[in-house]
Amino acid sequence: NAGVTQTPKFQVLKTGQSMTLQCAQDMNHNSMYWYRQDPGMGLRLIYYSASEGTTDKGEVPNGYNVSRLNKREFSLRLESAAPSQTSVYFCASSEENGQSYEQYFGPGTRLTVT
Amino acid sequence: GDSVTQMEGPVTLSEEAFLTINCTYTATGYPSLFWYVQYPGEGLQLLLKATKADDKGSNKGFEATYRKETTSFHLEKGSVQVSDSAVYFCALGPMNTGFQKLVFGTGTRLLVSP
Repeated sequence: NAGVTQTPKFQVLKTGQSMTLQCAQDMNHNSMYWYRQDPGMGLRLIYYSASEGTTDKGEVPNGYNVSRLNKREFSLRLESAAPSQTSVYFCASSEENGQSYEQYFGPGTRLTVT
Repeated sequence: GDSVTQMEGPVTLSEEAFLTINCTYTATGYPSLFWYVQYPGEGLQLLLKATKADDKGSNKGFEATYRKETTSFHLEKGSVQVSDSAVYFCALGPMNTGFQKLVFGTGTRLLVSP
């Protein structure tokens, strides 16, 4: 049981390049999330998916797109990277039924855009 | 909108000292409250939670009490260890719903020296 996995762990991009961050969970959770973490800003929600087939914008969606490929996988795409997107990105998942109020986080992807 | 305010860090303590990290919140209704911990190089993990007023969450020697009258959820530990060095995040989320869209504070770094 791996929990939430993310790839890659580190990435350096040049301004204007594109890339996709991958996330997968093996806990059969319905809900998945993408956050970014910046110094002094805490975690900010980029996009989320309450269930397979649905996605919604969070607090800071500009410059990003997401795909909920299936129940397990939720990817985050940067179409044209900018230095302001330098950050640590976390994927998370949670159960649907509300009996457990816990979000499970992946180890993060550290992205630098030069 | 909903928000969480945490004390700024870093908080620097010697081993076996008493720890308090303050957290206050603004929210409509009656949210659930959480403390998450992030150890160096890792994702966040749930430390403790409280789902209604006067509830006390506890785990690994840490405690926090949901105070509706003061809108607070302060984290305490009677005797910290070097291994408690981490970043601590206070968060709030909707009560008793399946979908957990959390609002995080900015995090407080704790440094414990031997």
